[in-house]
Amino acid sequence: AQSVTQLDSHVSVSEGTPVLLRCNYSSSYSPSLFWYVQHPNKGLQLLLKYTSAATLVKGINGFEAEFKKSETSFHLTKPSAHMSDAAEYFCVVTMNSGYSTLTFGKGTMLLVSP
Amino acid sequence: DTEVTQTPKHLVMGMTNKKSLKCEQHMGHRAMYWYKQKAKKPPELMFVYSYEKLSINESVPSRFSPECPNSSLLNLHLHALQPEDSALYLCASSPGGRRGGGGSGGSYNEQFFGPGTRLTVL
Repeated sequence: AQSVTQLDSHVSVSEGTPVLLRCNYSSSYSPSLFWYVQHPNKGLQLLLKYTSAATLVKGINGFEAEFKKSETSFHLTKPSAHMSDAAEYFCVVTMNSGYSTLTFGKGTMLLVSP
Repeated sequence: DTEVTQTPKHLVMGMTNKKSLKCEQHMGHRAMYWYKQKAKKPPELMFVYSYEKLSINESVPSRFSPECPNSSLLNLHLHALQPEDSALYLCASSPGGRRGGGGSGGSYNEQFFGPGTRLTVL
């Protein structure tokens, strides 16, 4: 069994300040972890993924995440927020296997003010 | 080609209509998925096709009928829908697939999503 908890439903930051979106996971198996972003009325875009290689994962648009097994966390960070980062972010866990069923967190809405 | 395409972008239909949603990928992926997403919620899995065979049906009502004509195409046929079926319908694909329920056919499992079809049922 696996589950994902996104600790904040909304996060508000000012443009140019750091972003932290928190995610904790539970998995009976060696997991793969992803962060997806969804802009309004759009599909989901993969930001970054962890698949048991390096624990610090760099993604697109300056985002990165660190896999911490001891804390069962996979928090998403960015040093400096941009207005275009305003969107819904989903933390996702799945098993390392053939085809996969994804377990989604409930999402975190990132709001960026000027 | 590294994208999943979906048509149409928007669809409005009555409860007695029959319509179809289409999804296409040319990345050689062996697994394809349909999701339903309501506003301010994460996507909910509806169907999984692996090597063109239906592998998972998450207890979806029969008014939704999936079809996988070949490894690149995935359709979702709609008939006699209800207003509560209005949602964003997302298609996704992933490299991995599982033949006959045994073994794993892919080395990684990230899913690539299409832009979705916004469906409104009147």
